[in-house]
Amino acid sequence: QQQVKQSPQSLIVQKGGIPIINCAYENTAFDYFPWYQQFPGKGPALLIAIRPDVSEKKEGRFTISFNKSAKQFSLHIMDSQPGDSATYFCAASAGAGSYQLTFGKGTKLSVIP
Amino acid sequence: NAGVTQTPKFQVLKTGQSMTLQCAQDMNHNSMYWYRQDPGMGLRLIYYSASEGTTDKGEVPNGYNVSRLNKREFSLRLESAAPSQTSVYFCASHPGLSSGALHFGNGTRLTVT
Repeated sequence: QQQVKQSPQSLIVQKGGIPIINCAYENTAFDYFPWYQQFPGKGPALLIAIRPDVSEKKEGRFTISFNKSAKQFSLHIMDSQPGDSATYFCAASAGAGSYQLTFGKGTKLSVIP
Repeated sequence: NAGVTQTPKFQVLKTGQSMTLQCAQDMNHNSMYWYRQDPGMGLRLIYYSASEGTTDKGEVPNGYNVSRLNKREFSLRLESAAPSQTSVYFCASHPGLSSGALHFGNGTRLTVT
């Protein structure tokens, strides 16, 4: 049973565009929702994270939108650049002190000049 | 500051051979994890160690064993490798704080023929 569903699987945008990656979850106990960025040959690295007490969080060009009632959250990348080309994973975990992340299957983003 | 170091980076095994993947972190983190990454499958948790002296199964533990040697080191052993274990293996660590991030190594690419 996949607990975090991520879409799309791949995404191609022009430089300056705003790619949007969506995730949906089933477990209502989830209370921490991070996004990880992975470049080829490297391990994933934390990009931005949100908790369900807020509906939006921005860090630089990256924004998470969170809809608790719909059990959905999404990543928006403003003014995307070729250097943003990477694979992005959403994830979720439940309970204070629980760091067992359940990951989505990933979205491969290509930003073309 | 090395972070999370995994060895080896690449390995080819024949079916039935055994090997141990090594992981060490220098961030004084309490928790350590082993994930496998397969195309289109995201990252799946194999085993984790919430603190020195404890280990627990994750989502896909069959065919693997782990040892938390000390606070720094967490190894993953394949006793009898199978082609289904061909994957990229990532070790990660977490400080154990609610605001902390999961830190990943750069992975071990394992091929079982």
